[in-house]
Amino acid sequence: DAGVIQSPRHEVTEMGQEVTLRCKPISGHDYLFWYRQTMMRGLELLIYFNNNVPIDDSGMPEDRFSAKMPNASFSTLKIQPSEPRDSAVYFCASSPGTSGSTDTQYFGPGTRLTVL
Amino acid sequence: AQSVTQLGSHVSVSEGALVLLRCNYSSSVPPYLFWYVQYPNQGLQLLLKYTTGATLVKGINGFEAEFKKSETSFHLTKPSAHMSDAAEYFCAVSDPRLFGGNKLVFGAGTILRVKS
Repeated sequence: DAGVIQSPRHEVTEMGQEVTLRCKPISGHDYLFWYRQTMMRGLELLIYFNNNVPIDDSGMPEDRFSAKMPNASFSTLKIQPSEPRDSAVYFCASSPGTSGSTDTQYFGPGTRLTVL
Repeated sequence: AQSVTQLGSHVSVSEGALVLLRCNYSSSVPPYLFWYVQYPNQGLQLLLKYTTGATLVKGINGFEAEFKKSETSFHLTKPSAHMSDAAEYFCAVSDPRLFGGNKLVFGAGTILRVKS
């Protein structure tokens, strides 16, 4: 398996622009997670999905952030409008869900976002 | 709310020396505990996890950790450091009662440096 795939790997944009990050989870995995990693706040869970349904979005910082999972093989995290403080590395992770809570989360390589 | 404290943001050891990375957690219920490793410009990879059962958990690359409830600790050890162990290590906790234990709370991370 190719693992969790994220695109783009790097994104540089200007303040006010819309940014869309993409994730393809491992085939057959039921859970998908979006994380943000910054020096100041560390690694934070933004939102996660189970069987394409958002379960917990309490980590989404503001209404400027939205996430969708239209099918089992694709998810997007959108920031509109983007701000310099959104600069971070965004990770997508997936887990099988076969044994419920003890599943391992498999992380993608991340998208490094820079908002100028 | 759960939390994780990793003592020491940077740890430096000599090649062949013992590696000890400290993690203390706060949880009102028996937690699930995890150690993840992150190599530069990569996503996180699970080293080991504790859910139930034996409190000494063995993971990949020769690492192990022991769950000590009385000390609320889950320290990571490796008898002999290798240059390839240089990376950032994250301890994480989850509450099995919430969202099936899928909501991980990460510590701030410890950067391990291995000197030759």
